[in-house]
Amino acid sequence: NAGVTQTPKFRVLKTGQSMTLLCAQDMNHEYMYWYRQDPGMGLRLIHYSVGEGTTAKGEVPDGYNVSRLKKQNFLLGLESAAPSQTSVYFCASSYSSDSLRTQYFGPGTRLTVL
Amino acid sequence: SQKIEQNSEALNIQEGKTATLTCNYTNYSPAYLQWYRQDPGRGPVFLLLIRENEKEKRKERLKVTFDTTLKQSLFHITASQPADSATYLCALDAMGGTNAGKSTFGDGTTLTVKP
Repeated sequence: NAGVTQTPKFRVLKTGQSMTLLCAQDMNHEYMYWYRQDPGMGLRLIHYSVGEGTTAKGEVPDGYNVSRLKKQNFLLGLESAAPSQTSVYFCASSYSSDSLRTQYFGPGTRLTVL
Repeated sequence: SQKIEQNSEALNIQEGKTATLTCNYTNYSPAYLQWYRQDPGRGPVFLLLIRENEKEKRKERLKVTFDTTLKQSLFHITASQPADSATYLCALDAMGGTNAGKSTFGDGTTLTVKP
């Protein structure tokens, strides 16, 4: 049982380049989330999904797109990377039940945009 | 707008003492509140969850209180150890409606326990 995994762990991009971050979970969770965390700050929600085929905007969605084609995967895309997107990105998943909403986080992807 | 504040960015205490971390919120009616631990370079790990109708929750050396009148949660670590040194995040969850599935996190408090 791997939990939540993220690919890649590190990445360096040049301004304007694109990339996709992959998140996978093997716990059969309905909900999945993408956060970014900047130094000294908490987690800010980018996008989230409450089920396969559905996505919704979080607190800071601009510059990012997501897709959830399979229940176990949640992809985060940067179409044209900007230095302001330099951050650590965390994926998380949880059950949908209000009594089981604890989030399980992946190890993070450290992204640098030059 | 909704706001979550955790008492201070850093808290330093001596080993064996009780650490108390604070989470205050405004313009929010959370259904429940969670506390997570985050070590450097790692993702947050869940510690405790407390619902709006609960006053207190305990797990081993950890205790969480939730006062919806004061809009505040306190997180206590008793008999603290250097291994408790980490950043602790509180997260609020509303239930249902447009907020279904969304948690809002505080900026965290970094606890350092000195031997």
